[in-house]
Amino acid sequence: AQKITQTQPGMFVQEKEAVTLDCTYDTSDPSYGLFWYKQPSSGEMIFLIYQGSYDQQNATEGRYSLNFQKARKSANLVISASQLGDSAMYFCAMKAPLNRDDKIIFGKGTRLHILP
Amino acid sequence: EPEVTQTPSHQVTQMGQEVILRCVPISNHLYFYWYRQILGQKVEFLVSFYNNEISEKSEIFDDQFSVERPDGSNFTLKIRSTKLEDSAMYFCASKGTPKRGNQPQHFGDGTRLSIL
Repeated sequence: AQKITQTQPGMFVQEKEAVTLDCTYDTSDPSYGLFWYKQPSSGEMIFLIYQGSYDQQNATEGRYSLNFQKARKSANLVISASQLGDSAMYFCAMKAPLNRDDKIIFGKGTRLHILP
Repeated sequence: EPEVTQTPSHQVTQMGQEVILRCVPISNHLYFYWYRQILGQKVEFLVSFYNNEISEKSEIFDDQFSVERPDGSNFTLKIRSTKLEDSAMYFCASKGTPKRGNQPQHFGDGTRLSIL
C-alpha cells in the first residue's frame, strides 16, 4: 500500500532561517513521483516542487529544494531564507506508479509558522 | 499563467439537496481530478477523468457522486443527495500531457461546501 507520513503537525521558525519539513513515503512501485504543495490560509493548493524516483539530482525550485534520500524513503522539503509569506500548510504527496495518470495521495500536512 | 478556476467559492446547501460544483480546467489539459479536504484533515482523492470517462475512483466516490464534462471547457462534480459528512473543501485539478508522469496536477482554489 502507498503511504505518505508527515510527522511534524506544526513548526515555528524564525524569519530568514532555513526550515526542513519532513516527509517519508512507502510504495512498492519502482517508479514514482513525489510532490510538495503549499496551502495558505486562503485555501488554494499551490504546487511547489517535484522529484522523480529515477532523478539523479535533488530537485530545486528557487528557495525550495527537495532532499531526496531514496534508500530511506524520505523526501524532505527545504525552504531557504524563510519569509513571512511562507506561513502555510505544506503537504507532501506521491504518485505511484508514474506511468498511470491517476491519483495523488497526500500526507496529513505540516503547518509552518514563520515568526518575525 | 493559466489556472484552474472553480465556482462557486462557497456553497451552502440543505441536507438531501443536489449540488453541482463547477470547474474550468486549464485549456489544453487532458486529465481532470476531484479531491476533497474535510476541515483539518488531509486531501483525499475522489475521481480521475480522461477521454470522457472515469479512469479511477476512490471508495468515497459512491453512487451519490457523478462527474461530467458537458462541453469543451467545464468539468463538474455532482452530489445527488447531500449528507452532513459531505461538508468539505472540494478541489478540482487538471494535468496536461499524457506521456510524462511527472507533470504536476494543478489545483483550483477550491469550493467550500457546507451542508446544513
